[in-house]
Amino acid sequence: KNEVEQSPQNLTAQEGEFITINCSYSVGISALHWLQQHPGGGIVSLFMLSSGKKKHGRLIATINIQEKHSSLHITASHPRDSAVYICAVSTNTGNQFYFGTGTSLTVIP
Amino acid sequence: DTAVSQTPKYLVTQMGNDKSIKCEQNLGHDTMYWYKQDSKKFLKIMFSYNNKELIINETVPNRFSPKSPDKAHLNLHINSLELGDSAVYFCASSQMGDQPQHFGDGTRLSIL
Repeated sequence: KNEVEQSPQNLTAQEGEFITINCSYSVGISALHWLQQHPGGGIVSLFMLSSGKKKHGRLIATINIQEKHSSLHITASHPRDSAVYICAVSTNTGNQFYFGTGTSLTVIP
Repeated sequence: DTAVSQTPKYLVTQMGNDKSIKCEQNLGHDTMYWYKQDSKKFLKIMFSYNNKELIINETVPNRFSPKSPDKAHLNLHINSLELGDSAVYFCASSQMGDQPQHFGDGTRLSIL
């Protein structure tokens, strides 16, 4: 079993829809990261959080440390949001890094 | 200006060869990383360097060796390349501690 699980694996949405991607982890963490990988392959760090909630434009990331769960929300989705979204955690012991398998999002105009 | 740059972008070579991938960052970051993304798009950390010291070394074969001549560079040397080494390798950097990482564009390594 992977230390980081994401759902759904694939997601197709109509433009304008509200999107949620979930991430659960089974290890003690010092921080959780949300990454975006575009179809061209480039990876961008969207958020890094260890508690609460962060917002950047139409993107919102939340984390519940007690439940070991994080969500990434996209409001008013747009075709340019189409990408793979990856959840990753850095552990609080041993400096380990674990990645989820990614959620492939397609937003249809 | 490119923040994290990797070269080459593509590398095609034969099994058994030795190759290097270079990475440079101009962000003044303290920590640099190497990741491997396999054919199923699964990312896995290989190494990280902080102030010239290796602080993470995942269970990668010792054919892989990171070399950091200074804190702006972390090169990846691979000896005796095998078919299973075919993947995309990403370099990244961040400030020390849990800080957002900046990624290079990746190097696609194909072993014939």
